[in-house]
Amino acid sequence: EAGVTQFPSHSVIEKGQTVTLRCDPISGHDNLYWYRRVMGKEIKFLLHFVKESKQDESGMPNNRFLAERTGGTYSTLKVQPAELEDSGVYFCASSQNAPLNSGANVLTFGAGSRLTVL
Amino acid sequence: DAKTTQPNSMESNEEEPVHLPCNHSTISGTDYIHWYRQLPSQGPEYVIHGLTSNVNNRMASLAIAEDRKSSTLILHRATLRDAAVYYCIPVLSGTYKYIFGTGTRLKVLA
Repeated sequence: EAGVTQFPSHSVIEKGQTVTLRCDPISGHDNLYWYRRVMGKEIKFLLHFVKESKQDESGMPNNRFLAERTGGTYSTLKVQPAELEDSGVYFCASSQNAPLNSGANVLTFGAGSRLTVL
Repeated sequence: DAKTTQPNSMESNEEEPVHLPCNHSTISGTDYIHWYRQLPSQGPEYVIHGLTSNVNNRMASLAIAEDRKSSTLILHRATLRDAAVYYCIPVLSGTYKYIFGTGTRLKVLA
């Protein structure tokens, strides 16, 4: 089975520009997550989709970040306008819709999209 | 969310067992404990998870303390490929929320 695919793998933009990151989850996975790792910091949760709905977006840093998941398939994360502090690696993960409290919700991560804002 | 405490780093010799501890003293009774690892230049990958009983899979074993306030990930024979940052993640019951802490950076010596 194909894994979680993210692109671009690396994007270099200037401050003030817009960047859109894309994630293709494993087919049939209802849950989709975005995380990011800023240099030297922990992997931080951004948001969680269940199908096309945002289940939890408590980790989104500010309104310059917009995540969408059209039709419950692939997802995009847009940063507009980008700031220097947005540089880091953005990870996407997906999981099946295992029953809550079953512990069986195992995340599969993509390789990440590295964003460099100059 | 349950807080976790892990050593910042550990070293092991190749072919020897490694015990990676995690303290999660604020965990609730129904929170599962998941372990993930991140190899260099890759996304995190699932290792193992459990609730109360010790668990084994092809990658590792998970030993959970009887009071569930701590757990230990056991790699039975460390290889160079096991060099990674290992994360212990208590998953809040009733959610699908995974919060990564600082993790333990494991160095495997040839």
